Amino acid sequence: DVKVTQSSRYLVKRTGEKVFLECVQDMDHENMFWYRQDPGLGLRLIYFSYDVKMKEKGDIPEGYSVSREKKERFSLILESASTNQTSMYLCASSPLPGTGGGSNQPQHFGDGTRLSIL
Amino acid sequence: GQQLNQSPQSMFIQEGEDVSMNCTSSSIFNTWLWYKQDPGEGPVLLIALYKAGELTSNGRLTAQFGITRKDSFLNISASIPSDVGIYFCAGRQYGNKLVFGAGTILRVKS
Repeated sequence: DVKVTQSSRYLVKRTGEKVFLECVQDMDHENMFWYRQDPGLGLRLIYFSYDVKMKEKGDIPEGYSVSREKKERFSLILESASTNQTSMYLCASSPLPGTGGGSNQPQHFGDGTRLSIL
Repeated sequence: GQQLNQSPQSMFIQEGEDVSMNCTSSSIFNTWLWYKQDPGEGPVLLIALYKAGELTSNGRLTAQFGITRKDSFLNISASIPSDVGIYFCAGRQYGNKLVFGAGTILRVKS
């Protein structure tokens, strides 16, 4: 079974702090994703990465950055946390097309980090 | 960013009833996925659909990839209390990115 592990289930931080959310997957997947989930809005893509040190902006990248130094780990960084970044953050991974997984491999999700910014 | 229109937003149904929910878009998708999220957990894949017209079942769940490639539906037959949760549809047009619906919250009366 694919295992995507997010380091914290709950996190409380203060406005202006630099916040790191960590995600690790154990299936040697090339793709990793960060989403935020808000009521009534579903999941919105913040950033994704298709290889080590590679990253692409998603739909809502403002106020966030990411780091992919190792294949299994994808970090989301809130440079200066603000109250409107209070949300549930979900990490996901999937294999690249042609790597035995086919072109349409679904994403596998971690259990999420509920982040509150005070 | 693009969103899928998922309906209904929430449902409150009697145990044993059948449930239907759907997703529509103005754009064509090559893959449709249905996920379920239990409280306090991440979404878990229920069904994946890869061809227009495809009808796939997973136990009491049945999903179809619309023939126009712009919609998909999910049916749950004979609902039980553990069906409670949020159901998300997701579509892929190309590449690695998914677009998600806003979710359908399912509550079951026992």
